Amino acid sequence: GQQLNQSPQSMFIQEGEDVSMNCTSSSIFNTWLWYKQDPGEGPVLLIALYKAGELTSNGRLTAQFGITRKDSFLNISASIPSDVGIYFCAGLYSGGGADGLTFGKGTHLIIQP
Amino acid sequence: NAGVTQTPKFQVLKTGQSMTLQCAQDMNHEYMSWYRQDPGMGLRLIHYSVGAGITDQGEVPNGYNVSRSTTEDFPLRLLSAAPSQTSVYFCASRSGLASNEQFFGPGTRLTVL
Repeated sequence: GQQLNQSPQSMFIQEGEDVSMNCTSSSIFNTWLWYKQDPGEGPVLLIALYKAGELTSNGRLTAQFGITRKDSFLNISASIPSDVGIYFCAGLYSGGGADGLTFGKGTHLIIQP
Repeated sequence: NAGVTQTPKFQVLKTGQSMTLQCAQDMNHEYMSWYRQDPGMGLRLIHYSVGAGITDQGEVPNGYNVSRSTTEDFPLRLLSAAPSQTSVYFCASRSGLASNEQFFGPGTRLTVL
């Protein structure tokens, strides 16, 4: 089945720093999704990407759909304490996998005061 | 518009007990799914449904049953709980199998003793 490699697994950063994380796969996807999960909550959709090469922003968050359709990147600028959480990437390919949606294992973002 | 709702939020069971985790959505979404989340494993698909009366297995279906009698509801049943089913369970929905945006419920934290 399709698999996503999400990295890094965890990040320890200082408040105000920029953050970068990525997901790669050997399979192509039609859509990339980025979620954030706060402690004790369900994942919340941050950004959806629909076209190869697309660059989309949501406030301080910017995500890109890789040209090869096999990767995606999420950047967070000027991190603040509420950015703490787990960030998941997900790739959607119609007809791929059981339901077409494959998740990365998440990046734990920890912000040190 | 409540989105995806789940009950209960917390549950403790003894080995061998049965229970049903409830999930409902009010967005008229055709597609619903159940995931379990375990440390280091990310989100793993248990079962999914592409519409009322239609269900299928995901990546880790053993020990779980589902049914979809209405568009709104998608309950997950544990017939004989085992400690290996201790996990956080998330229900999710999207408008169709090829739809790009999937929404998650707040989760049910289940402990099996």
